[in-house]
Amino acid sequence: QSVLTQPPSVSGAPGQRVTISCTGGTSNFGAGYFAQWYQHVPGTAPRLLIMGNTNRPSGVPDRFSGSKSGTSASLAITGLQAEDEADYYCLSYDSSLSGYVFGTGTKVTV
Amino acid sequence: EVQLVESGGGLVQPGGSLRLSCTPSGFTFRDYWMSWVRQAPGKGLEWVANMNVDGSEKYYVDSVKGRFTISRDNAKNSLYLQMNSLRGEDTAVYYCARDSAVATYYGVDVWGQGTTVTVAS
Repeated sequence: QSVLTQPPSVSGAPGQRVTISCTGGTSNFGAGYFAQWYQHVPGTAPRLLIMGNTNRPSGVPDRFSGSKSGTSASLAITGLQAEDEADYYCLSYDSSLSGYVFGTGTKVTV
Repeated sequence: EVQLVESGGGLVQPGGSLRLSCTPSGFTFRDYWMSWVRQAPGKGLEWVANMNVDGSEKYYVDSVKGRFTISRDNAKNSLYLQMNSLRGEDTAVYYCARDSAVATYYGVDVWGQGTTVTVAS
């Protein structure tokens, strides 16, 4: 049972905008720890999309954006494309666990 | 090109042991914290363990404490995960991952392709 909760699934038509929430608590986001976001197509290596709440690594399209407020973080995907169909996970450090914790994961369907 | 390649997965009986290896390339391994992450069939990603550059700090998820040991050999450019007393719930794809050096607590930024561990009789 993860301490970071995400909706099981979200869907949108091509070109639309979708958002994925990641709800944590006072020992992770609320304590100031950062949100990271990963895209995972089953059978392949996960891909880092967002680090440090809002920062995109080089090569990640600006259609992906991250935000954080209080004990929650969000990932937005604008201009949804068929290739965005994948599982998405948030990640944060948790001081009560003394380690990293992934969110429960969200399947995006286009 | 930055790359991580895992090896050592396979079928093992409950109670058995297995050692996973990870071979990095394209970056200076000794400068980075490293992690292991796993994904059980039909489940989400789970961070398993990480360690600092010289092995003096190691951290584990509660479910593997006392059974798994993360280690590294900077001279041999290798990361390891020794898994003992394996259980069915340890069945998963195990990923080697590089911790981000951009800032502390920025998670992992590079992943391997994974190696499959199956615990069954």
